[in-house]
Amino acid sequence: DGGITQSPKYLFRKEGQNVTLSCEQNLNHDAMYWYRQDPGQGLRLIYYSQIVNDFQKGDIAEGYSVSREKKESFPLTVTSAQKNPTAFYLCASNFGADYGYTFGSGTRLTVV
Amino acid sequence: AQTVTQSQPEMSVQEAETVTLSCTYDTSENNYYLFWYKQPPSRQMILVIRQEAYKQQNATENRFSVNFQKAAKSFSLKISDSQLGDTAMYFCAFMKLRGAQKLVFGQGTRLTINP
Repeated sequence: DGGITQSPKYLFRKEGQNVTLSCEQNLNHDAMYWYRQDPGQGLRLIYYSQIVNDFQKGDIAEGYSVSREKKESFPLTVTSAQKNPTAFYLCASNFGADYGYTFGSGTRLTVV
Repeated sequence: AQTVTQSQPEMSVQEAETVTLSCTYDTSENNYYLFWYKQPPSRQMILVIRQEAYKQQNATENRFSVNFQKAAKSFSLKISDSQLGDTAMYFCAFMKLRGAQKLVFGQGTRLTINP
């Protein structure tokens, strides 16, 4: 089955530590996206990539980094510069505007 | 920049009733898509319905329909014969057709269907 796989489902980070969230898709979609979800704030765009080896900042990119070395993969690194990383992170992809996005099942990141 | 506003943080109705969720948006674009996504307790985002701005006819998908008012920049979702499985967060989202196809989301409405 085609889809998007996010891992891990739950992730715990210590203060000052970098962590990487995985996002893999087998839909052959060109574009991929990372969103952050906080209670009462909907989803906010962190980074997006429209093509391999190219990506752009979204609305809340500070403290995050990404790479897009392969079409299938778009990992997100939450760096120690992100002061409030506890949130639910969603990865998505699309191929044209017609049908919106396909979403992964998300990663819940908690700072301990 | 585009913005999407959902003015109802929470709603609650009885099973089998009809409920309407509101959404307004702000844009200077003429061509765009609008979407409603459902996020049940599993937190998986599920596309409910979509509307192309250039189509005057309101989209329908089984029990789900929209009232799209382009001039008023309004895009409400009507759920008929509501079911317990409709309990979820509902997000309205906007996507412009020019440039990068970024989805801009509203804050969400938490809908509870009571038995």
